[in-house]
Formats: sequence, C-alpha cells, structure tokens
Amino acid sequence: DTAVSQTPKYLVTQMGNDKSIKCEQNLGHDTMYWYKQDSKKFLKIMFSYNNKELIINETVPNRFSPKSPDKAHLNLHINSLELGDSAVYFCASRTSGGANEQFFGPGTRLTVL
Amino acid sequence: KQEVTQIPAALSVPEGENLVLNCSFTDSAIYNLQWFRQDPGKGLTSLLLIQSSQREQTSGRLNASLDKSSGRSTLYIAASQPGDSATYLCAVIYNQGGKLIFGQGTELSVKP
Repeated sequence: DTAVSQTPKYLVTQMGNDKSIKCEQNLGHDTMYWYKQDSKKFLKIMFSYNNKELIINETVPNRFSPKSPDKAHLNLHINSLELGDSAVYFCASRTSGGANEQFFGPGTRLTVL
Repeated sequence: KQEVTQIPAALSVPEGENLVLNCSFTDSAIYNLQWFRQDPGKGLTSLLLIQSSQREQTSGRLNASLDKSSGRSTLYIAASQPGDSATYLCAVIYNQGGKLIFGQGTELSVKP
C-alpha cells in the first residue's frame, strides 16, 4: 500500500536520449511536486501541480516537461538528456488543508552516460 | 534570499547518547517546518511537522522545537540507537501549497 510510488527506480541512459519518470500517489492529495537531489545531496524544487494545474515552475531548462493526466499522477519527461541531469528525482504530494505536510516517493536515480 | 542551514553537517555519537540537531532559516515568516529522515539510497520519511503557531512536536524519542523569532529549530533525539543512523533534513515552507526549502542535512552515525 505504497503512498507515493515512482517508476523506474533506476534509469541509465545515453546523452541526447529522451526519458520519462512516472509518479503516482494514492493518498487523495491535490498537490504534487518534483524535486531534484544533486550529487551533493541538496534537494531543490522543480515543479508543482495542483489538481492538474501547474503552480510552481522553478528555473528549470525547458527540456524538462511535467505532465499531470489526473491529480493522482505527475510524470516528468526529459528531452535531450545531458550529463548534468544525472541526479535523484523525487516525487512528493501534500495534504490538503492547514498542515501542508509533504510525503515523498522512493526516488528515481537517473544516470546519464 | 530564503535559505536553510543545518549544523553540524555530520555527527557521530555512541549509542545511548541524547543529541540535538540544529536548523536555522533566514526568513522567519515560515508557514511550517518539517523534519525528514533519509536513509542511504532511499526516499525521505517525514518525522515531524511543526506549524508556525506551534512551539514543539513530539513523536516517540524525537522532539522538534521551533523558535520563529530567532529563525531556529532543533531536533532532539533521546537515547540514540544505531538504527537512528541516517541523514536528517530540515525544510521550511512559506505559504500553503508552496515549495519546501531544504537545508543540506546532518549525517548522523550512532555507534554500537
């Protein structure tokens, strides 16, 4: 009964390829996020969607395109992968209402060769 | 600029010790603060969330305090165990629905 799940867990690919990471949450939350954890383990927001609408878009290259088919899913598509895209990508969702607590998926480790 | 700093970056203690992890944030107008645990190669586990109107939260051997005016939070771990070894991350959020801003984390090692 995983709350926030991501696939795949590991992704190894060549520079220039296009790849997607999928995220699903079964918590009934309206808001979902993508975060990136770099090689120094620093976590930073990339995108946020609320009920399929984009609400946060940090200064991320436009090669990264999030897509939310419904409020339980937020996928991340990356075009023309570069070496610097190698990182761990985490999906999260948050509770509605006052607490605003965020829950994270297990992460997808992307390695670009 | 809204930044979060965690000190120390790494900490090694013998089993059974009580310990304190520190988190500071530059803009005190936070909405809430969340402490996470990250095991190597794993995702983040939410430990405690303190809303801006609260002073502390407790869960088992963990106690998190918040002092908004000074821009600080502490995570107190009582009677540490080897299983507590992990990286502990502090993050703040400035508005409902907003993004979490993370510190760099404290890597804790509890020796048997």
